[in-house]
Amino acid sequence: GAGVSQSPSNKVTEKGKDVELRCDPISGHTALYWYRQRLGQGLEFLIYFQGNSAPDKSGLPSDRFSAERTGESVSTLTIQRTQQEDSAVYLCASSPTGLNTGELFFGEGSRLTVL
Amino acid sequence: SQQGEEDPQALSIQEGENATMNCSYKTSINNLQWYRQNSGRGLVHLILIRSNEREKHSGRLRVTLDTSKKSSSLLITASRAADTASYFCATDASNDYKLSFGAGTTVTVRA
Repeated sequence: GAGVSQSPSNKVTEKGKDVELRCDPISGHTALYWYRQRLGQGLEFLIYFQGNSAPDKSGLPSDRFSAERTGESVSTLTIQRTQQEDSAVYLCASSPTGLNTGELFFGEGSRLTVL
Repeated sequence: SQQGEEDPQALSIQEGENATMNCSYKTSINNLQWYRQNSGRGLVHLILIRSNEREKHSGRLRVTLDTSKKSSSLLITASRAADTASYFCATDASNDYKLSFGAGTTVTVRA
């Protein structure tokens, strides 16, 4: 596709379940970012990929959060044993290069609700 | 912690009026960007200004950057109802690769 694609767009889960969120970046973009946005708030940086490597995982809130990227393309963000405070919109963005960061291209987000 | 902070948090104006919002940040930057987010949607890039630039225009948008005060402003002229959205500034600190976003300014343009 022409833009960044995220799935699912909406996910409702029960506390304690695992969830997996997927991001398809723009083809050829080497840098990929995950952010979290709680209701009415700004974006909280989670993790950054350059190619398939994640030089900085410092934004991941806890060890329940993990992410991977394969083929310098698709990325998945996994949240294990979800908690109610994980409820948020998870936004993925990509850019042609992660050096001297330019414009980020965002997906529409995955809205996660933990009951 | 967030690098940028927007002011005001919310702004309500009449169609045709100008909207001005400000962003302050803490560390040296390579560039500063402004994004727009319509309700329930992803962010859309509006404009990027480099640290060695002072002013930039794009259509009805005018951005200024004062690196001595670590602040930027976004002016939207002749606002339209379609400009109703949240606006975020984002910075990438020198020797960094990620954008840090502020909490945003919510702009409502009344018809």
